[in-house]
Amino acid sequence: KAGVTQTPRYLIKTRGQQVTLSCSPISGHRSVSWYQQTPGQGLQFLFEYFSETQRNKGNFPGRFSGRQFSNSRSEMNVSTLELGDSALYLCASSLRSLGSYEQYFGPGTRLTVT
Amino acid sequence: AQKVTQAQTEISVVEKEDVTLDCVYETRDTTYYLFWYKQPPSGELVFLIRRNSFDEQNEISGRYSWNFQKSTSSFNFTITASQVVDSAVYFCALNSGGYQKVTFGTGTKLQVIP
Repeated sequence: KAGVTQTPRYLIKTRGQQVTLSCSPISGHRSVSWYQQTPGQGLQFLFEYFSETQRNKGNFPGRFSGRQFSNSRSEMNVSTLELGDSALYLCASSLRSLGSYEQYFGPGTRLTVT
Repeated sequence: AQKVTQAQTEISVVEKEDVTLDCVYETRDTTYYLFWYKQPPSGELVFLIRRNSFDEQNEISGRYSWNFQKSTSSFNFTITASQVVDSAVYFCALNSGGYQKVTFGTGTKLQVIP
């Protein structure tokens, strides 16, 4: 069974630009969550999508948005990039909506904002 | 609110030594789930174990063992006879019944020296 895939793996953007990251979950998994990982803040929950609906959202500004498609693939968008958005963005899939189910993580997208 | 504390930021041990990683959690819910994940230098988080609040049995899997104690709100992880391949950052995580998101601890970086 293929794991969680994320594209692209590395990205360099300029302040003010926008970026879209993509995540394909494990086949059969309907929940996709996004996390931002930085050395200073650790792993922070961005949001979770389940059956194309956003189930919960972390404490991030509205510049961070996402969506999920009918095939469970998910995209995350960050608009008006700031230097502080430089981070590793991790996507995780789960069989059901977050709760008792473990998550399976992708390799991440390393975003650098200059 | 839910919170996870991993007080040990970094631990170094010599190969074959035993090491325990501490995890203390806070939640007001009676139903909750605890997880441990491993993040090797490659970056991809790997699920290790899940425990629900109703199951206080300790778990052993090869060289890994977990000690769940509700009385002290702790879910500690022990690696017996550590190996260099165990070098990674280990995260403890919590999901409480009332939340649809997972809270991660700040992680413990384990370095196993040959």
